[in-house]
Amino acid sequence: DQQVKQNSPSLSVQEGRISILNCDYTNSMFDYFLWYKKYPAEGPTFLISISSIKDKNEDGRFTVFLNKSAKHLSLHIVPSQPGDSAVYFCAASGVENAGNMLTFGGGTRLMVKP
Amino acid sequence: DADVTQTPRNRITKTGKRIMLECSQTKGHDRMYWYRQDPGLGLRLIYYSFDVKDINKGEISDGYSVSRQAQAKFSLSLESAIPNQTALYFCATSDSGTGWYFGPGTRLTVL
Repeated sequence: DQQVKQNSPSLSVQEGRISILNCDYTNSMFDYFLWYKKYPAEGPTFLISISSIKDKNEDGRFTVFLNKSAKHLSLHIVPSQPGDSAVYFCAASGVENAGNMLTFGGGTRLMVKP
Repeated sequence: DADVTQTPRNRITKTGKRIMLECSQTKGHDRMYWYRQDPGLGLRLIYYSFDVKDINKGEISDGYSVSRQAQAKFSLSLESAIPNQTALYFCATSDSGTGWYFGPGTRLTVL
């Protein structure tokens, strides 16, 4: 059973609008969460992260929100740009994962239309 | 130059063949990982290594083996490839903190 889930396989947004990508997790031992962006024929690249001691982290157009009680996090991209079109993976790590291994969600394909 | 490189980038092979995927890193990290990506399932951990003498199974290690030849090199082998091992394979490295770096991936097709 997947411990990290991204229930929307795809999302389409108009340029300039907000993109909201969601992620749910089941393991309460996860304490660090990351978002990765992946273009075709490339490996995932780190986008933004959040520790469980915070509920929000912001980096330019990207903001990640964490709701620990709901075991839910979301990535907001404002404003969305065509270059943001990619697959976004949510990942989680926890103290019980020796070596801080990452557990990934299934990914959401974001398409930003000009 | 890329921090994490993988060879080959694409490979087509036949059922029953042995194949090796190689990974090299210039980050100087001790920790290296092999992940597999399948549509809708994200990336799943196959094997990981904390240093040259340390090898650990991940979530889906059956049918795979690894070798950590040096701090900078971590190879993944399929002893007898089968079609359901067709996937994208990613190597990654990390420091002891929160930085992970992924290679560009190897697309493997087993006919």
